[in-house]
Amino acid sequence: DTEVTQTPKHLVMGMTNKKSLKCEQHMGHRAMYWYKQKAKKPPELMFVYSYEKLSINESVPSRFSPECPNSSLLNLHLHALQPEDSALYLCASSQVHNSYNEQFFGPGTRLTVL
Amino acid sequence: KNEVEQSPQNLTAQEGEFITINCSYSVGISALHWLQQHPGGGIVSLFMLSSGKKKHGRLIATINIQEKHSSLHITASHPRDSAVYICAVEVSLYGNKLVFGAGTILRVKS
Repeated sequence: DTEVTQTPKHLVMGMTNKKSLKCEQHMGHRAMYWYKQKAKKPPELMFVYSYEKLSINESVPSRFSPECPNSSLLNLHLHALQPEDSALYLCASSQVHNSYNEQFFGPGTRLTVL
Repeated sequence: KNEVEQSPQNLTAQEGEFITINCSYSVGISALHWLQQHPGGGIVSLFMLSSGKKKHGRLIATINIQEKHSSLHITASHPRDSAVYICAVEVSLYGNKLVFGAGTILRVKS
């Protein structure tokens, strides 16, 4: 299994809602990533988990809360988002978080905040 | 100035043409990645390079570390090659995170 899966594919939420994005991989990878991508822009790194511990937080607002419950799963909890948070949220994984490691990307969750 | 510059930004080619996309970077890197993103979102890793040249089917990627430059070539282009091609570099100084170029939008017409 060389796939990273993400659910849901699409999500529409209001500014007062709480929702979660889910990412899963069964490749035995110990590094997992959340990226945010706005239209016609490259992905921007949000968080890196290495061996289930948060190792990089790119100064992301606290309304985004990541969680890595085990080595296969990565969640992104969303609360009190703003319309400008509407974007494609991409999850990726790699064997470990060091140099020369290919990242495998999921298909993304397209989020719309009303 | 961005640390990773790609050219061209947009490229339209006729089916069968040879295509070159360029990537220049200004930082020391441990590896360079070429990624493909189709409309709808998913990103596929095409190549990971730290030196020399790699080939997969009709795709060839080269890197010149001294000149801080990489190229992605597509031979015998096909409409299904239409996508955004993104160059990204791993920078050890930044904790090995990927620094992305802006992408090249490729459209291959039949």
